[in-house]
Amino acid sequence: KQEVTQIPAALSVPEGENLVLNCSFTDSAIYNLQWFRQDPGKGLTSLLLIQSSQREQTSGRLNASLDKSSGRSTLYIAASQPGDSATYLCAVSDSMDSSYKLIFGSGTRLLVRP
Amino acid sequence: DVKVTQSSRYLVKRTGEKVFLECVQDMDHENMFWYRQDPGLGLRLIYFSYDVKMKEKGDIPEGYSVSREKKERFSLILESASTNQTSMYLCASSSGGQPQHFGDGTRLSIL
Repeated sequence: KQEVTQIPAALSVPEGENLVLNCSFTDSAIYNLQWFRQDPGKGLTSLLLIQSSQREQTSGRLNASLDKSSGRSTLYIAASQPGDSATYLCAVSDSMDSSYKLIFGSGTRLLVRP
Repeated sequence: DVKVTQSSRYLVKRTGEKVFLECVQDMDHENMFWYRQDPGLGLRLIYFSYDVKMKEKGDIPEGYSVSREKKERFSLILESASTNQTSMYLCASSSGGQPQHFGDGTRLSIL
């Protein structure tokens, strides 16, 4: 059964730092991997989606990489800002499951200090 | 922009009541999902639907049912609400393997 783990559970950094969030999954047979952002009391906002055949995706200051064989993904945030403070979740969909349902990690709670 | 709208942001109900949570999406997505989110347990899939009148159980369907009579609307039903169903409920929709889009969530309290 697929399991998704995110480390660390919480992270506090000063503004301007570059940072990396980690996500690992136990079964490499994935269809895609998504990174989401969740603000307190709100729903999830999709940040990046990486297909299983891709190695990375970029959007603005965000870069997500995927190493399917080792079961790892990272989300790199450049020049962090206080507005980046949120919980970041990664999720995978299994390649053998045509419903595209997602299995989520428990998230990393990020605080960027001014 | 994709819009997923959940009918209530906050809801308070009593034990034993039948509770309806509504979700509407405006992008003609075929897939719709209901999750619940609890501290320490993360997001867990309750039910999903890949077409009108089609539904499949997720990881924690017990105590819930769903209805999808129209493509844009997916309803979650708590047949007889219990206190352990107090949670944040999130609806999402997607097309194929494209990103899932989420609503703002309904924070449900069962007293």
